[in-house]
Amino acid sequence: DQQVKQNSPSLSVQEGRISILNCDYTNSMFDYFLWYKKYPAEGPTFLISISSIKDKNEDGRFTVFLNKSAKHLSLHIVPSQPGDSAVYFCAATQSGANNLFFGTGTRLTVIP
Amino acid sequence: DAGVIQSPRHEVTEMGQEVTLRCKPISGHDYLFWYRQTMMRGLELLIYFNNNVPIDDSGMPEDRFSAKMPNASFSTLKIQPSEPRDSAVYFCASSLVGSSLSYGYTFGSGTRLTVV
Repeated sequence: DQQVKQNSPSLSVQEGRISILNCDYTNSMFDYFLWYKKYPAEGPTFLISISSIKDKNEDGRFTVFLNKSAKHLSLHIVPSQPGDSAVYFCAATQSGANNLFFGTGTRLTVIP
Repeated sequence: DAGVIQSPRHEVTEMGQEVTLRCKPISGHDYLFWYRQTMMRGLELLIYFNNNVPIDDSGMPEDRFSAKMPNASFSTLKIQPSEPRDSAVYFCASSLVGSSLSYGYTFGSGTRLTVV
């Protein structure tokens, strides 16, 4: 059963606007969350992470928000750029564990 | 560093044939992971190694799948016999203990397997 879920397979956004990608998890033991970006014919690359002791982490145009009570996190990209067009994977794990559980991914298309 | 290197990039094989996927992790990394990507399930962990020792293989779908890591710089994932439902992109990733949470894993470019 999927412990990490990304319910939107795709998202299209106009260049310059905000992109919001969502992720839900079911395992309350997860306390670390990561986002990966994947371009075609390449492996996923690490984008940003957040620990459960925080509710927000920002890195340039990318911000991840965590709502522990709802078991929900989101990735905001502001402003969106055409180069952001990729598949975004949400992942989660427990501190002390070494395996990441991934969602099914959301394909973001930023329209110029 | 050249990153995580996987070979081949593409593999097309007939049902029933043996398939071997290869991975060279980043030098110095002590964890190695094999993932499979499908549309329905996203990225699934198949097996991971720590210091060349298999730690968790609960994600290996069937006995047809096996993985080895004979040394710190090489790992293989073998499917025998292969079936059409094994068609997917297989990724290898490596990481350093303690860095996984902050920086995640480093993935290879993947092997796209097609079983006809």
